[in-house]
Amino acid sequence: GESVGLHLPTLSVQEGDNSIINCAYSNSASDYFIWYKQESGKGPQFIIDIRSNMDKRQGQRVTVLLNKTVKHLSLQIAATQPGDSAVYFCAENKGNTPLVFGKGTRLSVIA
Amino acid sequence: NAGVTQTPKFRILKIGQSMTLQCTQDMNHNYMYWYRQDPGMGLKLIYYSVGAGITDKGEVPNGYNVSRSTTEDFPLRLELAAPSQTSVYFCASSYGGNERYYGYTFGSGTRLTVV
Repeated sequence: GESVGLHLPTLSVQEGDNSIINCAYSNSASDYFIWYKQESGKGPQFIIDIRSNMDKRQGQRVTVLLNKTVKHLSLQIAATQPGDSAVYFCAENKGNTPLVFGKGTRLSVIA
Repeated sequence: NAGVTQTPKFRILKIGQSMTLQCTQDMNHNYMYWYRQDPGMGLKLIYYSVGAGITDKGEVPNGYNVSRSTTEDFPLRLELAAPSQTSVYFCASSYGGNERYYGYTFGSGTRLTVV
């Protein structure tokens, strides 16, 4: 079946720098995309989402970009902080089908 | 408002034993899900439910059973536990329908080891 994947399994950034986490999806019919943050020993937490009729959405210190032409999703974190260290997952679905998750990227922030 | 509550948090089972992972939510969400997460991997869907009395298989349902007798509860049953079922199990819920764009609320997980 089709699934969501990620370009990089690990990412290390200096505190204060911007982080970019990438995600490739294969289901061109997907119409909803979401980023989750998972800290060690905890369940995933919602960060930001975007619908397929948009190409950019901003939250507090986070921005999600969607490029449907190349089926690519990215999460940008501005001024990365130690508290941002976690595993980040992208997920997608179409209609009311269950979310399909990627494998995750581990973000490590270097103080 | 507790959100999604999972019990137990940790469990060690012997091969062949059975157990039920409990999940309850107090947000009146229609949709509920069970995912498993193997080390260094993403989440794989085991079963899901779109409402009381309705359940559907996900990507990896073998070795598991579910029931949804109430809106609040969605227990996951493991029969004849096998080492391959060693994983972290997450329950999640969502509104579904036209309000699906708010994503899922996850529980804190159950870490299961089968020895």
